[in-house]
Amino acid sequence: DARVTQTPRHKVTEMGQEVTMRCQPILGHNTVFWYRQTMMQGLELLAYFRNRAPLDDSGMPKDRFSAEMPDATLATLKIQPSEPRDSAVYFCASGLETGSPLHFGNGTRLTVT
Amino acid sequence: GIQVEQSPPDLILQEGANSTLRCNFSDSVNNLQWFHQNPWGQLINLFYIPSGTKQNGRLSATTVATERYSLLYISSSQTTDSGVYFCAAISGGSYIPTFGRGTSLIVHP
Repeated sequence: DARVTQTPRHKVTEMGQEVTMRCQPILGHNTVFWYRQTMMQGLELLAYFRNRAPLDDSGMPKDRFSAEMPDATLATLKIQPSEPRDSAVYFCASGLETGSPLHFGNGTRLTVT
Repeated sequence: GIQVEQSPPDLILQEGANSTLRCNFSDSVNNLQWFHQNPWGQLINLFYIPSGTKQNGRLSATTVATERYSLLYISSSQTTDSGVYFCAAISGGSYIPTFGRGTSLIVHP
């Protein structure tokens, strides 16, 4: 069964440290999304890639967040420097451009102290 | 962009009861999905249903695209149905899913 794989599952770090989250999309999928989930804001879109090109990162704080797809099998989300308000669950999802369901990874639970 | 509203926000059921969850969206959609977020936080695909009706065991979903809503039916609910149910809609040429705030369901034994 094809799955989106996210690592790490949990991350605890101190304020000011760099955090890198990784996502392996399902083979053959050409769209990748990063979402952040908090109790207050629900599921917020941070970044969207199509065929590895970033198409929408308007939901991402540009001063500290960055998202990349070095190749078709890896998407990364970095936070530098991290802040306590970044504590959340970060989800990666992948899909095909049209007419197919979106599949989510199990998320990375980030805690910044 | 498209607005997605879900109701009710919270639902408490006794095991065996039936329920209907609603998802309203503000624009025509190319894609409508229902997800279940289980107590471990995993987002599980339930239905990909831009229009029509689909059934999977005790769950079924109907999307009436012309009237801009989708319904998720849960019959004979079980404690394992507990969690949060999200709908996500994609409209026009954006290809970006917009999520509702979810319906939190608790099923008591």
